[in-house]
Amino acid sequence: DAGVIQSPRHEVTEMGQEVTLRCKPISGHNSLFWYRQTMMRGLELLIYFNNNVPIDDSGMPEDRFSAKMPNASFSTLKIQPSEPRDSAVYFCASRGMVYNSPLHFGNGTRLTVT
Amino acid sequence: DQQVKQNSPSLSVQEGRISILNCDYTNSMFDYFLWYKKYPAEGPTFLISISSIKDKNEDGRFTVFLNKSAKHLSLHIVPSQPGDSAVYFCAASSTDKLIFGTGTRLQVFP
Repeated sequence: DAGVIQSPRHEVTEMGQEVTLRCKPISGHNSLFWYRQTMMRGLELLIYFNNNVPIDDSGMPEDRFSAKMPNASFSTLKIQPSEPRDSAVYFCASRGMVYNSPLHFGNGTRLTVT
Repeated sequence: DQQVKQNSPSLSVQEGRISILNCDYTNSMFDYFLWYKKYPAEGPTFLISISSIKDKNEDGRFTVFLNKSAKHLSLHIVPSQPGDSAVYFCAASSTDKLIFGTGTRLQVFP
């Protein structure tokens, strides 16, 4: 089991540029979550999908953020245009169908916007 | 509005002693609670959980206590080991959503 795979591990970009973060969930998992970690807010839920369908995107901070899950094995989180305050570590996590089964996290993408 | 709060950003404990990490929540609809552990440059990993129908769950050196009337849970690590040094997040859910706290950095020194 390869676990949740995120790419890239590090991303450095300039303000105004588009950033795309990628996630491959664990095979067979039907729920996928995007979180952002900051010192002030800890692990903040941005959006989650069940069976590739976005269920709750109330945590997405602004219209500059968007997420897609075109199939069961791939999801993207896009920021356009990026701003310095978007600098954080972004985590993707997936979970199986059993209610309240634990989330399995990837190793995150550290985003720095200068 | 932080629904899950960890008011101690850091904790330092001597090896062999007990570590107690605390977490408070505001939403009475939460029915499942979890603790995650995070090492630098890695994603959080699941540690232990408890359902709202219980007040205690134990797994080896780790015990989670839940006080529903106080909306408070705690994680006890006995005995603490240097390898336990990490950031610990508590989390709560009432539906599919898992809401995390801000984390507590535990340092276990020899």
